[in-house]
Amino acid sequence: DGGITQSPKYLFRKEGQNVTLSCEQNLNHDAMYWYRQDPGQGLRLIYYSQIVNDFQKGDIAEGYSVSREKKESFPLTVTSAQKNPTAFYLCASSSRVFGQFFGPGTRLTVL
Amino acid sequence: EDKVVQSPLSLVVHEGDTVTLNCSYEVTNFRSLLWYKQEKKAPTFLFMLTSSGIEKKSGRLSSILDKKELFSILNITATQTGDSAIYLCAVQRFNAGGTSYGKLTFGQGTILTVHP
Repeated sequence: DGGITQSPKYLFRKEGQNVTLSCEQNLNHDAMYWYRQDPGQGLRLIYYSQIVNDFQKGDIAEGYSVSREKKESFPLTVTSAQKNPTAFYLCASSSRVFGQFFGPGTRLTVL
Repeated sequence: EDKVVQSPLSLVVHEGDTVTLNCSYEVTNFRSLLWYKQEKKAPTFLFMLTSSGIEKKSGRLSSILDKKELFSILNITATQTGDSAIYLCAVQRFNAGGTSYGKLTFGQGTILTVHP
């Protein structure tokens, strides 16, 4: 099946730990994105990548890091520097023609 | 800074009603406006609008863009309980190179609740 997968679905983290969220797509899309969604709010862009080995900060990049070593993969690391990481994290990808399509999301909770 | 404002923030209707959701925007180098429906999990794509005045339809949903007045509306006719969701509007800009990879800026969403 073509699509975007994210793992894990739920993630619990202790304060001070780094965690990495996985995002994989087999749609052959060049661009990939990471968003954060807090309750009652819209999506806010964390990082995006238009091509392999290149990425740009979004609106709320502090405390996060990414890599784009392969076209299919765009993992997001939530570092201990992120002060309020509990949120719903969404990965998306897009082609040149169509809008962005989203993965199922990862819900991160800091204990 | 790009800005997207949706209204109303929440809306409660009964089955069979028609609703209109609004999205106004300010963006540099506008490329497209997108509508998404979000139920419990990830947003699902509804429409992408790039040209003014051309209505896009999908079943009971339709949407139109006004690039002069910088807004879009999403209409849902004969609403059903399954239409209950958050409806997100987003605008995409062209990036500095003029390609289509500009980031999306989302509005805060409209929470639609449809009662039986």
